[in-house]
Amino acid sequence: QQQVKQSPQSLIVQKGGIPIINCAYENTAFDYFPWYQQFPGKGPALLIAIRPDVSEKKEGRFTISFNKSAKQFSLHIMDSQPGDSATYFCAASTGGGSNYKLTFGKGTLLTVNP
Amino acid sequence: GAGVSQSPSNKVTEKGKDVELRCDPISGHTALYWYRQSLGQGLEFLIYFQGNSAPDKSGLPSDRFSAERTGGSVSTLTIQRTQQEDSAVYLCASSPTGGGNTIYFGEGSWLTVV
Repeated sequence: QQQVKQSPQSLIVQKGGIPIINCAYENTAFDYFPWYQQFPGKGPALLIAIRPDVSEKKEGRFTISFNKSAKQFSLHIMDSQPGDSATYFCAASTGGGSNYKLTFGKGTLLTVNP
Repeated sequence: GAGVSQSPSNKVTEKGKDVELRCDPISGHTALYWYRQSLGQGLEFLIYFQGNSAPDKSGLPSDRFSAERTGGSVSTLTIQRTQQEDSAVYLCASSPTGGGNTIYFGEGSWLTVV
């Protein structure tokens, strides 16, 4: 049973576009939702994270939107750049982030064309 | 070193052979994690070490997989009698304390079983 479903599998946008990556979860006990960015040949790196007490969080050009009732959260990348081309993973855990066991989505390969 | 160090970066082995993958976490980090990343899949939790506590081995896929952490620092993931389905990138991560907030991943060990 996949507890975090991520879509789309791949995404191509033009420079300056706003790619949106969506994730849906099933476990209502999840209360910490991070996004990771992974470049080829590198390990994933934490990009931004949100807890369900807020509906939106912004860090630079990256925004997480969270819909608790729908059990969905999404990543928006404003003014996307070719350097943003990477694989993005959503994840979830319990315990407000104190639980070490992250459940990951299957990833979205983003390509930003110049 | 500055980051999580893993070796080897690439390993090709014959089916049925044993392999050992090494992880050197960030100095001072008490928590250490192993994840597996298969092609087109998300990251799959394998095992977690925190200080001197008993490790959480709940993610290990079979008894052919084992891991140890010596002296609270370096960890070795061992796969016995490797199978083709074991082919994947094995990612090690560490964090200052237990919890999913700030996990730092290494670049992974790419294992190919032929």
